[in-house]
Amino acid sequence: AQTVTQSQPEMSVQEAETVTLSCTYDTSESDYYLFWYKQPPSRQMILVIRQEAYKQQNATENRFSVNFQKAAKSFSLKISDSQLGDAAMYFCAYRITPSNAGGTSYGKLTFGQGTILTVHP
Amino acid sequence: EAGVTQSPTHLIKTRGQQATLRCSPISGHTSVYWYQQALGLGLQFLLWYDEGEERNRGNFPPRFSGRQFPNYSSELNVNALELEDSALYLCASSPGSVRETQYFGPGTRLLVL
Repeated sequence: AQTVTQSQPEMSVQEAETVTLSCTYDTSESDYYLFWYKQPPSRQMILVIRQEAYKQQNATENRFSVNFQKAAKSFSLKISDSQLGDAAMYFCAYRITPSNAGGTSYGKLTFGQGTILTVHP
Repeated sequence: EAGVTQSPTHLIKTRGQQATLRCSPISGHTSVYWYQQALGLGLQFLLWYDEGEERNRGNFPPRFSGRQFPNYSSELNVNALELEDSALYLCASSPGSVRETQYFGPGTRLLVL
């Protein structure tokens, strides 16, 4: 079974500084997707960034970038120039691809436990 | 473009009752997913519907059930409510079942007394 682990229950950063959130996962599949979602106090899950496992290039979305290490099964999120609005719970998630269809893992997102990010002014 | 919507936002029930939660996907999305976010248990996959059919379900008892309507909206039913069913129930949608990102609604917070 696939598992996703976020080893940092809480992180904090000063406004305008950079912070990195860690995520590791365990899978026997070779093709899959990885995601970072953000859940602010409003509880709405918001997609931050997505990475396809077959792509070697790390995904980037404005101030958000990932360090995807497939061999190490590591997928960290770097937030640059942190803003007060970045304060939230961040979840790392994994999903197998349709080519690996079937079985109990098909279609679903498997989430890590989450990391609470606090941004200090 | 409207996002995923869920109703009600809050629901209070007593043990043994039934709860019905509703979800409307983003226009053009045919897949709907349900997740439970309970305190201390994290986010757990419940159900996945696509084109009106149940495609997969998580490790939940049969009293958790649902359906998807022809307009792709979905309903989650929880029968014989137990105290531990108290949680935030999140619905997500995606444009079909292949290689697509799931976009989440604001959730329904269910409290079982």
